[in-house]
Amino acid sequence: AQKVTQAQTEISVVEKEDVTLDCVYETRDTTYYLFWYKQPPSGELVFLIRRNSFDEQNEISGRYSWNFQKSTSSFNFTITASQVVDSAVYFCALSGSGSARQLTFGSGTQLTVLP
Amino acid sequence: SQTIHQWPATLVQPVGSPLSLECTVEGTSNPNLYWYRQAAGRGLQLLFYSVGIGQISSEVPQNLSASRPQDRQFILSSKKLLLSDSGFYLCACGDRGRGELFFGEGSRLTVL
Repeated sequence: AQKVTQAQTEISVVEKEDVTLDCVYETRDTTYYLFWYKQPPSGELVFLIRRNSFDEQNEISGRYSWNFQKSTSSFNFTITASQVVDSAVYFCALSGSGSARQLTFGSGTQLTVLP
Repeated sequence: SQTIHQWPATLVQPVGSPLSLECTVEGTSNPNLYWYRQAAGRGLQLLFYSVGIGQISSEVPQNLSASRPQDRQFILSSKKLLLSDSGFYLCACGDRGRGELFFGEGSRLTVL
């Protein structure tokens, strides 16, 4: 069975601070995919990034960066110089390589960026 | 890119009443389709998924059902709603190649 753990339920930071959201996963699949989604107050989930299990390169996209470490089964997400608009619930998710590709989500981290 | 439409956006229903939530997808063909529920407390629970017309897989036994009458249409139904069915229902679409899912705007259901 697959499992995703986001131990941080809520995080508050002041604008311009850096913040890291943790994600730890469990899977028996050798091929799998990891994702991060953002859920703003409007409710729709916004796709941020996908990573496959064979690619451990860290990725940077603007103020966002992701650190994938297979050795510790972690896929952490860092926001640099946070902004108020970054306030949202962030979900980490995992899928296998089967045709159905259903995602298993973590419980989410509520990030609040204070002005 | 695909667009996912869900309706109704908000629904208040009495216990024991029927339910029909509809999801349609544009901009793709033969997608995988999914229904997730997000109860208070944020967790996202997979309810149903479909890899093709008429093919439905259920992840959680419950009084809900799903149908896929057309390639890009996915319907979530119930004959008799329970209080515990309240929540935020999200339809999602994905392709078998890349794996990421794209979500609709969601339907918020309150059962009284």
